[in-house]
Amino acid sequence: NAGVTQTPKFQVLKTGQSMTLQCAQDMNHEYMSWYRQDPGMGLRLIHYSVGAGITDQGEVPNGYNVSRSTTEDFPLRLLSAAPSQTSVYFCASRESRAGELFFGEGSRLTVL
Amino acid sequence: GIQVEQSPPDLILQEGANSTLRCNFSDSVNNLQWFHQNPWGQLINLFYIPSGTKQNGRLSATTVATERYSLLYISSSQTTDSGVYFCAVEAGGANNLFFGTGTRLTVIP
Repeated sequence: NAGVTQTPKFQVLKTGQSMTLQCAQDMNHEYMSWYRQDPGMGLRLIHYSVGAGITDQGEVPNGYNVSRSTTEDFPLRLLSAAPSQTSVYFCASRESRAGELFFGEGSRLTVL
Repeated sequence: GIQVEQSPPDLILQEGANSTLRCNFSDSVNNLQWFHQNPWGQLINLFYIPSGTKQNGRLSATTVATERYSLLYISSSQTTDSGVYFCAVEAGGANNLFFGTGTRLTVIP
């Protein structure tokens, strides 16, 4: 199993551009989530999903969209990038609410 | 939302020393996990421990849910233990894990 796979690993955007961070897992996990990590602030939840077709907002959802059309994929869309969205983004999944959380390797995004 | 506090924020140890990291949380939880982020940024799950005690090699963890804290013990520390240790909790009724700000551990040879 590859686990949780994120692409791209690095991306530089200009303010106002849009992009999608891809996340895929091959463990048949129901729960998937996106976090951002900023220096000194730990990990903050952006959006999460408890199954295909079901998504909800986390702590910091503004400026981001998600969808969950399949169990495997959970893309994160930035509609109009802002410098405040410069961060490292992590996708994670778990089998169920009581399951261990597994992370992807992260995607470092810089918005100029 | 639930508050998660970790202490100490920074810890420097000599190789071979033992350490205890603490995680306090503000509400009852049904899920608590410990993670290690290595110097390359990779996040590894160490323990799923909403209550009780678990051990894995030199690492062990204890959660006292009624008193709202969890402890992570590292014995005979090695340089490869360096990195940031995060505690994450999920309160009853919620569907997501909230992270503390972490403890940065540096193990010196």
